[in-house]
Amino acid sequence: QITLKESGPTLVKPTQTLTLTCTFSGFSLSTNDVGVGWIRQPPGKALEWLALIYWDDDKRYSPSLKSRLTITKDTSKNQVVLTMTNMDPADTATYYCAHSLYSDSNFDFWGQGTLVTVSS
Amino acid sequence: DIQMTQSPSSVSASVGDRVTITCRASQVISSRLAWCQLRPGKAPKLLIYTASRLQSGVPSRFSGSGSGTDFTLTISSLHPEDFATYYCQQGYTFPYTFGQGTKLEIK
Repeated sequence: QITLKESGPTLVKPTQTLTLTCTFSGFSLSTNDVGVGWIRQPPGKALEWLALIYWDDDKRYSPSLKSRLTITKDTSKNQVVLTMTNMDPADTATYYCAHSLYSDSNFDFWGQGTLVTVSS
Repeated sequence: DIQMTQSPSSVSASVGDRVTITCRASQVISSRLAWCQLRPGKAPKLLIYTASRLQSGVPSRFSGSGSGTDFTLTISSLHPEDFATYYCQQGYTFPYTFGQGTKLEIK
């Protein structure tokens, strides 16, 4: 059974760096084809893909946010960490992590998400 | 980036109704199209992948079709738990992109 859970601060100040952790079970990020991605949804808006990291440490980023994002994995802890620098109120959103397979190019298992508010 | 355009943006329907949602890609994406469902307070759920394959555990009243640039999600007979927001997502090339969503509301 695959499960994922996001954790991190619920409130950050403008210009601060956000660090989110995705802790998962039911799969290993050292297995061929496996990846974990981050997707966000601002209140009342659509889903937006942010980043993805694969078993071989291949990393993909949204071009519009690439300069602000870093995704890393800790295979031994079954965790993926996303950092986003220079946070702005427009980054207020629910942030999801999700399991993906390189061969399928979709997100088949998702966490429940964590709401991050950017406000002074 | 590939733009994904869904229609309608919202639809009102009743339990038992048949509903179809469309998704159009700004360029050919083969069959690299997925549909997911979002309900408040619940983890998003993958329904359909590779345009027409039903994800394990998803009821058979959900179906998907299409290839190239035009795709549809059909719910054959609405159940109360189907009132949610639906998104298409292309996985043909990075950056992955989603449609703007279709909110399915109870009439």
